[in-house]
Amino acid sequence: DTGVSQNPRHKITKRGQNVTFRCDPISEHNRLYWYRQTLGQGPEFLTYFQNEAQLEKSRLLSDRFSAERPKGSFSTLEIQRTEQGDSAMYLCASSSVRSTGASPSYEQYFGPGTRLTVT
Amino acid sequence: SQQGEEDPQALSIQEGENATMNCSYKTSINNLQWYRQNSGRGLVHLILIRSNEREKHSGRLRVTLDTSKKSSSLLITASRAADTASYFCANQAGTALIFGKGTTLSVSS
Repeated sequence: DTGVSQNPRHKITKRGQNVTFRCDPISEHNRLYWYRQTLGQGPEFLTYFQNEAQLEKSRLLSDRFSAERPKGSFSTLEIQRTEQGDSAMYLCASSSVRSTGASPSYEQYFGPGTRLTVT
Repeated sequence: SQQGEEDPQALSIQEGENATMNCSYKTSINNLQWYRQNSGRGLVHLILIRSNEREKHSGRLRVTLDTSKKSSSLLITASRAADTASYFCANQAGTALIFGKGTTLSVSS
């Protein structure tokens, strides 16, 4: 399978615990994104990497959240001191930057997500 | 919030009928994309339309874009039960995708 993979698929944790999720993008993709999706809503952007550099972070990404992509391949998203409001589906996506003319357009390929439940 | 809106929120049709979903967005865009999400799963990219395009086709899908109204529509023709899913539009101004809240489509046989 050469798609985006995420582990674990499900995580149940108690409030106050730390959790870490992993994303393995499509191997030739240089951009990696994290999104969060709550029930009945569309995904909301959290952060993205180009290679190993974290280039943009959303205001949604509080200081309890940290993401890394140390070798420009897989990425981890850690949530410290989890809160019930962190319960959501965490989606990872990857893309390959390709430009056509003056407006670069990127299709993003999503993984199956990690569903986090904080009790 | 910069999230757009899809309309309707839910749509139920019979197999063979056409389904039309509309999307409005708030910012200027480079492109607009449509994604499908089956229950509890990741999103699958369906089609991308650039800001200088007005209409695009892909198989049974037809997308239109009206940048003056900041709106787009997705038409699925001759729907099938397998088209049952949630459909999201996502506009792209910078790097991140800004998704709407989605339309849940149910196609019954």
